[in-house]
Amino acid sequence: AQKITQTQPGMFVQEKEAVTLDCTYDTSDQSYGLFWYKQPSSGEMIFLIYQGSYDEQNATEGRYSLNFQKARKSANLVISASQLGDSAMYFCAMREPSRQLTFGSGTQLTVLP
Amino acid sequence: DAGVIQSPRHEVTEMGQEVTLRCKPISGHDYLFWYRQTMMRGLELLIYFNNNVPIDDSGMPEDRFSAKMPNASFSTLKIQPSEPRDSAVYFCASSLAGGQGAKATFFGQGTRLTVV
Repeated sequence: AQKITQTQPGMFVQEKEAVTLDCTYDTSDQSYGLFWYKQPSSGEMIFLIYQGSYDEQNATEGRYSLNFQKARKSANLVISASQLGDSAMYFCAMREPSRQLTFGSGTQLTVLP
Repeated sequence: DAGVIQSPRHEVTEMGQEVTLRCKPISGHDYLFWYRQTMMRGLELLIYFNNNVPIDDSGMPEDRFSAKMPNASFSTLKIQPSEPRDSAVYFCASSLAGGQGAKATFFGQGTRLTVV
């Protein structure tokens, strides 16, 4: 079974608008962490944001926020005020107590001018 | 602070040759991971170390792949002999332990391997 599911292979958003990238996860552990990474065309993996399963508030980092709905097992990434430089592949990942990151298949975001 | 450093950035080699990928994790990090990324399979964990000890190598595809971590600041991933299907981007990553204190796993810039 898929641990991390990203159902949107590709997304388009107009510059300056907000966009939500979906992520659902599957775990039976109570303690886990959820991550989002950005991979631009240059190939590096850039850490964006982290949410712990016990964190009561949604994580925010600048224009990035994580919409964490524990009961639904979803951890959507919201990017506000999109910029052309946000065009990239975005990966959702989960870390369980075994300490390894499991990645989703990614969403290719294209910001339109 | 230097991030995770991988070398080489690009490697082109002939089938049958030995390939060695190198990684220097972030100082103080006690977990080190090797990932492989391909179009077909996405990001796959190959092996990870905790305090220089291999913990889980179930993702290593075959005996042709081996990884070592002789000390806290250096790891290698070796493929011998290499095959065209090994062509991929190989990422090294490191993180801290500590319950949910493992806030982030930081990745190197990757090594793009092409086996011809």
